[in-house]
Amino acid sequence: DTAVSQTPKYLVTQMGNDKSIKCEQNLGHDTMYWYKQDSKKFLKIMFSYNNKELIINETVPNRFSPKSPDKAHLNLHINSLELGDSAVYFCASSDLAGVDDEQFFGPGTRLTVL
Amino acid sequence: SQQGEEDPQALSIQEGENATMNCSYKTSINNLQWYRQNSGRGLVHLILIRSNEREKHSGRLRVTLDTSKKSSSLLITASRAADTASYFCATGSNSGYALNFGKGTSLLVTP
Repeated sequence: DTAVSQTPKYLVTQMGNDKSIKCEQNLGHDTMYWYKQDSKKFLKIMFSYNNKELIINETVPNRFSPKSPDKAHLNLHINSLELGDSAVYFCASSDLAGVDDEQFFGPGTRLTVL
Repeated sequence: SQQGEEDPQALSIQEGENATMNCSYKTSINNLQWYRQNSGRGLVHLILIRSNEREKHSGRLRVTLDTSKKSSSLLITASRAADTASYFCATGSNSGYALNFGKGTSLLVTP
């Protein structure tokens, strides 16, 4: 009965490659998010989608392209991977759009760019 | 930036002791949330306290909020080894649609 799931859990790839991370939530939530956590555990919002519509893009390079085929899915595609993209990427969801609701996080995808 | 800042960065205590973590933020908020992250896992929501609340309890957790000082504290009473984790406070971003997290307090509880 996983609430928010992400695949893959680990991703190791070479610089310049293109990769995707998938996220699914079975909570019936309207809003989904992508966060990036760096090596110092600093967690930063990247994107937020509400009902498949983008509502936040926090100055993320356009090499990152989120796609929401439906309310339950928010995938993250990354083009031309760079060393600095190495991090743990977390997907999250909440019932309400906005900050008045708790967010449910996936287990994370650890991306290593060599 | 609305980003919270936790203090201390790291805390080491023994089982049974209480652990107190503090969070400071910069601008006005509607609410403040605390999350826990176990090693290698995603964040888990612990508690949300609204700006008109001063204190909130959940099991062994007690959260206080002082909006005049723009600070919050998380107290874990009678700590257990299983409480070992990083703890983050979060406030609303300027857009109002996402959370800004602090850098976290790393708590180690030894048996």
